[in-house]
Amino acid sequence: QKEVEQNSGPLSVPEGAIASLNCTYSDRGSQSFFWYRQYSGKSPELIMFIYSNGDKEDGRFTAQLNKASQYVSLLIRDSQPSDSATYLCAACRQGGKLIFGQGTELSVKP
Amino acid sequence: KAGVTQTPRYLIKTRGQQVTLSCSPISGHRSVSWYQQTPGQGLQFLFEYFSETQRNKGNFPGRFSGRQFSNSRSEMNVSTLELGDSALYLCASSRTGTSGAGYSYEQYFGPGTRLTVT
Repeated sequence: QKEVEQNSGPLSVPEGAIASLNCTYSDRGSQSFFWYRQYSGKSPELIMFIYSNGDKEDGRFTAQLNKASQYVSLLIRDSQPSDSATYLCAACRQGGKLIFGQGTELSVKP
Repeated sequence: KAGVTQTPRYLIKTRGQQVTLSCSPISGHRSVSWYQQTPGQGLQFLFEYFSETQRNKGNFPGRFSGRQFSNSRSEMNVSTLELGDSALYLCASSRTGTSGAGYSYEQYFGPGTRLTVT
């Protein structure tokens, strides 16, 4: 079992729809969670971070954390073709290493 | 505020050679982490430096080493290059980085160095 797991996709949604990206983690000691967006040929760009259970909203993005279920998600509302990218979930393991999932490829169709 | 810079952006080396990559963090950030990204393995943690000390290390052979200077700039060295070392090497800058209790400040990535080993 990988420490941080994501569905590889591709996840395809129509323009204007809500894209839902999911991530599970295995280390119960993890307290900090991050979502990065990576366009092809570019480096990862931080889009959200969350430390507490519940929802955190920033513009069109909402991160959700459920520590009891060891589950993190990212919702993208009003998806745009420019949101098409690979989304990486990361968790900080107890002991201090940031562990990344394999990423979910999102495709937003006009 | 200037972002994270990495030099060089591209490198081509031959098996057996060594290489040094450089990273300058965001001003005021004291933690630098290094990652290797390949299509097969994804983003893998190499090591983290904070205040010139290695704080954490990933599961890479001893051929991979790093250091951090007093101005927080960091270098990563790979000796005796192998074909499998071909990858995108990313450094990430953070205010104070990770703690042993599972917390981490946000990490911001540089553009990366694309290393090709032939």
